[in-house]
Amino acid sequence: AQRVTQPEKLLSVFKGAPVELKCNYSYSGSPELFWYVQYSRQRLQLLLRHISRESIKGFTADLNKGETSFHLKKPFAQEEDSAMYYCALRASGTYKYIFGTGTRLKVLA
Amino acid sequence: EAQVTQNPRYLITVTGKKLTVTCSQNMNHEYMSWYRQDPGLGLRQIYYSMNVEVTDKGDVPEGYKVSRKEKRNFPLILESPSPNQTSLYFCASSPRTGEQYFGPGTRLTVT
Repeated sequence: AQRVTQPEKLLSVFKGAPVELKCNYSYSGSPELFWYVQYSRQRLQLLLRHISRESIKGFTADLNKGETSFHLKKPFAQEEDSAMYYCALRASGTYKYIFGTGTRLKVLA
Repeated sequence: EAQVTQNPRYLITVTGKKLTVTCSQNMNHEYMSWYRQDPGLGLRQIYYSMNVEVTDKGDVPEGYKVSRKEKRNFPLILESPSPNQTSLYFCASSPRTGEQYFGPGTRLTVT
């Protein structure tokens, strides 16, 4: 079955510490993976996607097909990174999306 | 401004009273989708549309209907709402490249 798993509901780190938000997926084909972020009182917005391989706001994510993972990383967390983060998978050739349950990141001063 | 709009933003209704939540996008996107967000369950796709008059079921379509008569609009219809449809609903649109642009959300309470 197609599934996206984000094992941590809440992740608390201190400002300046490294951050890793985990995402594992289960999909038989070649998926497209995305990270979306929702800041307080704002709508969901795209953070990054595996195809573009770019770094947004200091975050990076590498698709590891062997481990079926797409973990989100940032070397030095900032307080403004506090938000809800969702990992999402798009089934290839469709517009069917599967989201994880989300991880709330709290960056402490 | 390029955006996705939803109306209403908040709605309280009673069981069985038909309602429609509208969604509109001004970015000429082909793809549109509806999600519901529930605590501990994340976002779950209800229906999606790949073009005008082309719609398909997501993971939780029961109790919902959609239509796509125009490219910019994708209304969500609840013919007979029930309390288990109390949720936060998001509409999204996407170009072919796949990244989604979300609306502000509609908080629905069914009593």
